[in-house]
Amino acid sequence: AQSVSQHNHHVILSEAASLELGCNYSYGGTVNLFWYVQYPGQHLQLLLKYFSGDPLVKGIKGFEAEFIKSKFSFNLRKPSVQWSDTAEYFCAVNAGSQGNLIFGKGTKLSVKP
Amino acid sequence: NAGVMQNPRHLVRRRGQEARLRCSPMKGHSHVYWYRQLPEEGLKFMVYLQKENIIDESGMPKERFSAEFPKEGPSILRIQQVVRGDSAAYFCASSPPSRDLLEQYFGPGTRLTVT
Repeated sequence: AQSVSQHNHHVILSEAASLELGCNYSYGGTVNLFWYVQYPGQHLQLLLKYFSGDPLVKGIKGFEAEFIKSKFSFNLRKPSVQWSDTAEYFCAVNAGSQGNLIFGKGTKLSVKP
Repeated sequence: NAGVMQNPRHLVRRRGQEARLRCSPMKGHSHVYWYRQLPEEGLKFMVYLQKENIIDESGMPKERFSAEFPKEGPSILRIQQVVRGDSAAYFCASSPPSRDLLEQYFGPGTRLTVT
């Protein structure tokens, strides 16, 4: 069965620190990859997505992610986090011709001012 | 352009009652997905519908749960005879009528509490 693993349950950083959140998926075929963010009390918002082409994708708010096919990974990065980045981050995969998304369990990011 | 709307935002039901959750997709979107989020878990796919059709219900529990997306009106997720284990956040997402179905927009969710 397809699955998505997010390695870190809770990450605590100080402002200006660099961020990398891990995401690995299990599926051998063509995948579309997403990172969603859920700010406290708000709904899920799309941060960035990868469909094809350049494996380094840039999203909103200075986030980027790199698709490494050989490692089945799609890690999220930001060079310098801000307090306002405090949120929960979800990696998701849309596999093959299926319409549904398969989500990881999420990583809570707390940024200390 | 209004986003995906869900109501109610919070719903409290006693064990054995029925819960009805509504989802209005974004304007122009004809695909609706329902997901459930249990505490400390990621979102789990339940069902995927187009207008008047269930496309994929592989994530729906076999009993007590049903979903519809009528020609007119919102999509409804219905849970009959609720139990405490049904307490969760239920999210609806919609996507435009494109063949690739690559991007889903989420609503704010309905938090169901079963007492």
